[in-house]
Amino acid sequence: EPEVTQTPSHQVTQMGQEVILRCVPISNHLYFYWYRQILGQKVEFLVSFYNNEISEKSEIFDDQFSVERPDGSNFTLKIRSTKLEDSAMYFCASSGRSYNEQFFGPGTRLTVL
Amino acid sequence: SQKIEQNSEALNIQEGKTATLTCNYTNYSPAYLQWYRQDPGRGPVFLLLIRENEKEKRKERLKVTFDTTLKQSLFHITASQPADSATYLCALPHAAAGNKLTFGGGTRVLVKP
Repeated sequence: EPEVTQTPSHQVTQMGQEVILRCVPISNHLYFYWYRQILGQKVEFLVSFYNNEISEKSEIFDDQFSVERPDGSNFTLKIRSTKLEDSAMYFCASSGRSYNEQFFGPGTRLTVL
Repeated sequence: SQKIEQNSEALNIQEGKTATLTCNYTNYSPAYLQWYRQDPGRGPVFLLLIRENEKEKRKERLKVTFDTTLKQSLFHITASQPADSATYLCALPHAAAGNKLTFGGGTRVLVKP
């Protein structure tokens, strides 16, 4: 069964460093998302991406964040200058159609020291 | 603003019994509602999607109801098994952006043998 994959599974970085989180969505899906979950808290939407552009973003997704689909398979989230409060699980998701179920990856645990 | 409430207390249930979880929402009339399962340290796994014109949906031992008048969804696990132990998340689309999901805090279910 097709699944969303994410790398790395765990990333440790120093405050102020740039990180890139990588995702490979399900191959025939057209809609891509990033969510995050701070330990013990709710899953929070960050950004959605369709047709090579951002379709929606949350207040969390400020100028320090960017997303890219550099080729036909990868979808990346970049945090330019990490802060302590960026420590969280970051989930990539994809869906085949609008207003439909989203399939989540296993997540990348980001730890900012 | 849109608010989603799930019972934050863990639900302890005996194997073989039916677990019933509640998701209440306010300040919105969603076109659909989704339920996900999340295991510790893992990404949400899609279970069921129910649309506003559907009263009930089933998948194997799972059943979801959607009452748009009460602004409530009920999620049932029948003939529960220890493997059903997990946190169950309710998710609704954002009012203005239907692919942006807002998640509830989840209800943890523990099925005892």
